[in-house]
Amino acid sequence: AQRVTQPEKLLSVFKGAPVELKCNYSYSGSPELFWYVQYSRQRLQLLLRHISRESIKGFTADLNKGETSFHLKKPFAQEEDSAMYYCALSGQGAQKLVFGQGTRLTINP
Amino acid sequence: DTGVSQDPRHKITKRGQNVTFRCDPISEHNRLYWYRQTLGQGPEFLTYFQNEAQLEKSRLLSDRFSAERPKGSFSTLEIQRTEQGDSAMYLCASSSIRRAGDEQYFGPGTRLTVT
Repeated sequence: AQRVTQPEKLLSVFKGAPVELKCNYSYSGSPELFWYVQYSRQRLQLLLRHISRESIKGFTADLNKGETSFHLKKPFAQEEDSAMYYCALSGQGAQKLVFGQGTRLTINP
Repeated sequence: DTGVSQDPRHKITKRGQNVTFRCDPISEHNRLYWYRQTLGQGPEFLTYFQNEAQLEKSRLLSDRFSAERPKGSFSTLEIQRTEQGDSAMYLCASSSIRRAGDEQYFGPGTRLTVT
C-alpha cells in the first residue's frame, strides 16, 4: 500500500534556526517524492521534487531509499517560511498524488 | 491564464441535496484531478482524467459521486444525496503530459458544508 507519514502536525522554530520537516513513505517500487506548500490564504503549490534535486527558497530534500524518507531541510528559517507543508508521493506509472497529513510550520521572530 | 479555477468557492447545502462543482484547468493542460481534503488531513485522491477519459477512480468515490470532463476542458464533480460526511474541501488540479515533470497545479478549492 502507498502511504506517506508526517509525524509532526505542528513544528515551531525561531527565525535563523535550522528546520527539518520529516516525511516517511511506504511504497513497493520506486516512487517519485514531492513537497507541497500552502501559505496562508493561498493555494497548494509544488515546492520541490526529488528528481529535480534543486534547492527552492533555501529548502532541500534528499530521498533516502534505505530509510524510506524524504525529509525537508533548511539551514536558516525565515518568517516567510511559516506555512503548511505536505509530503506526497506518486507511484510508477501512476498520476495521482498520495499526501501525508501535513506539518504546520511556524517561524517565531 | 490565471491558473486553475473552481466554482463555487463555498457551498452550504442540506443533507440529501445534490451539489455540483466545476473546475476549469489551465488551458493547455490535458490532465485533470479531483482531490478531497478534510480538516487536519492531507488531500486524498478521488479521480483523474486525461483529456475526456476518466482513467482512475478511488474507492473513496462512492456511487453517489460522479465526475465528468465532456470535452476534455472543464470538469464537473457531482455529489448526489449529500451526507454530513461529505463536508470537506474539494480540490481540482491540472497538469500537462507534454511539459517536463507533469507538475500538478492546484485550484483554490470548493469548501462544501453539509448541514
